[in-house]
Amino acid sequence: SFELTQPPSVSVSPGQPARITCSGDALAKQYAYWYQQKPGQAPVLMISKDSERPSGIPERFSGSSSGTTVTLTISGVQAEDEADYYCQSAGSSGTYPVLFGGGTKVTVL
Amino acid sequence: EVQLLESGGDLVQPGGSLRLSCAASGFTFSSYAMSWVRQAPGKGLEWVSAISGGGTTHYADSVKGRFTISRDNSKNTLFLQMNSLRAEDTAVYYCAKAPYTAIVFFDYWGQGTLVTVSS
Repeated sequence: SFELTQPPSVSVSPGQPARITCSGDALAKQYAYWYQQKPGQAPVLMISKDSERPSGIPERFSGSSSGTTVTLTISGVQAEDEADYYCQSAGSSGTYPVLFGGGTKVTVL
Repeated sequence: EVQLLESGGDLVQPGGSLRLSCAASGFTFSSYAMSWVRQAPGKGLEWVSAISGGGTTHYADSVKGRFTISRDNSKNTLFLQMNSLRAEDTAVYYCAKAPYTAIVFFDYWGQGTLVTVSS
C-alpha cells in the first residue's frame, strides 16, 4: 500500500530513549527519511537513507531499518527534542508519489 | 547559505486562483529538483507537486489538473499556480529543495506561506 504508518504520540522522560516506528510496504524497497518539526517552524531533515545523520544533527538521533519498518531512535531525550517527527519515503516506483507518515508527537515528560 | 522564501499566500474564495512563489538563493537553482509540500492546520505533511531540474513535473492525485508547478531558472524562482481552489486546500505551503535533480527527499525547506480558502 502507498501509506506510511506512525504512532500518533510517544511520551518519554528526559534522559530516556524514545523510539518512533514507521511502517509501510514501500519501505521494503525504498529508503526512509526523518524530519523534525517544532511548532510554527519548517521541518528539518534529521535522518536520510534510513540511518545517515546529516551534518549538524546531534548524535543522539539515529535510524534503523528492518523489512517494512524503520525506526527513529533518540537516545537520551532532551526537552528540546519535543516536536513532531515525520517519516518520508518514495513510492514503490522509486520517486513519486512522495509519501509522508502521519507524524508522531514526541512529548518529554 | 541555502534560503527559500515563499510568498503569495492569501485568503481566497472557493473556486478561485492563487499563485505561490518561492525565491531561492545560496545554491545553483537549476541543478536541483524542487517541490511543494503543504500542511493543513493541525495536520501532517502532504506532498503536493515536484519539478525536476530539467522541468519534468509530478503531482499528487489530490491536486492533479488544478495545480501547475513551474520554475524560472533565470530568476531562481519556483511557482505553484493553484486553480479551482477548495476548502481542503487550506494549508501552509512549503517550498522544499531536493539534494538531487529528482525528488527523493528534502534537504532544505522554506518557512511556508498560508493559503486560506474560504467564503
